[in-house]
Amino acid sequence: EPEVTQTPSHQVTQMGQEVILRCVPISNHLYFYWYRQILGQKVEFLVSFYNNEISEKSEIFDDQFSVERPDGSNFTLKIRSTKLEDSAMYFCASSELKTYNEQFFGPGTRLTVL
Amino acid sequence: GQQVMQIPQYQHVQEGEDFTTYCNSSTTLSNIQWYKQRPGGHPVFLIQLVKSGEVKKQKRLTFQFGEAKKNSSLHITATQTTDVGTYFCAGLPGAGSYQLTFGKGTKLSVIP
Repeated sequence: EPEVTQTPSHQVTQMGQEVILRCVPISNHLYFYWYRQILGQKVEFLVSFYNNEISEKSEIFDDQFSVERPDGSNFTLKIRSTKLEDSAMYFCASSELKTYNEQFFGPGTRLTVL
Repeated sequence: GQQVMQIPQYQHVQEGEDFTTYCNSSTTLSNIQWYKQRPGGHPVFLIQLVKSGEVKKQKRLTFQFGEAKKNSSLHITATQTTDVGTYFCAGLPGAGSYQLTFGKGTKLSVIP
């Protein structure tokens, strides 16, 4: 069964450093998403991406964040200058269609900012 | 902005007992989705409800969408230890926005 993959599974970084989280969505899916989940809390939408551009973004997705689809398979989330409060699990998801369609989540990358 | 509230936050049940989690949105939704997250895992899609008053069943799980499309519930009959996890509802507002807003989830523990 096709699945969303994410690398790395765990990333530890120093405050102020840049991190890039990588995702490979399911191959025939057209819509891609990033979510974050602070430990023990709810899943929060960050951004959606379609046709090589951002569709929607939340208030959390400020200028420190960016997304890119550098090639036909990868979808990346970059945090330019990490803060302590960026520590969370980051989930990538993809869906075949935009509406009325399930989102398939990857296993997540746990980001720890020291 | 849209808020999705979910109760209870935690639920401990004896194996075989029923379980229900409730979800309420501050605004009318175009659809609502339910996800399950096992401890240490990622959210896994369970179901999507679109129509007002819709009821869907998956084996022991029954999902309802309110008539006003602002509330939803998930009911599990005769819980099993495999039901352990956190159940999230997630609402889609529609009106041009496809941003899923998740509730805080209900963490279910099943005592064997």
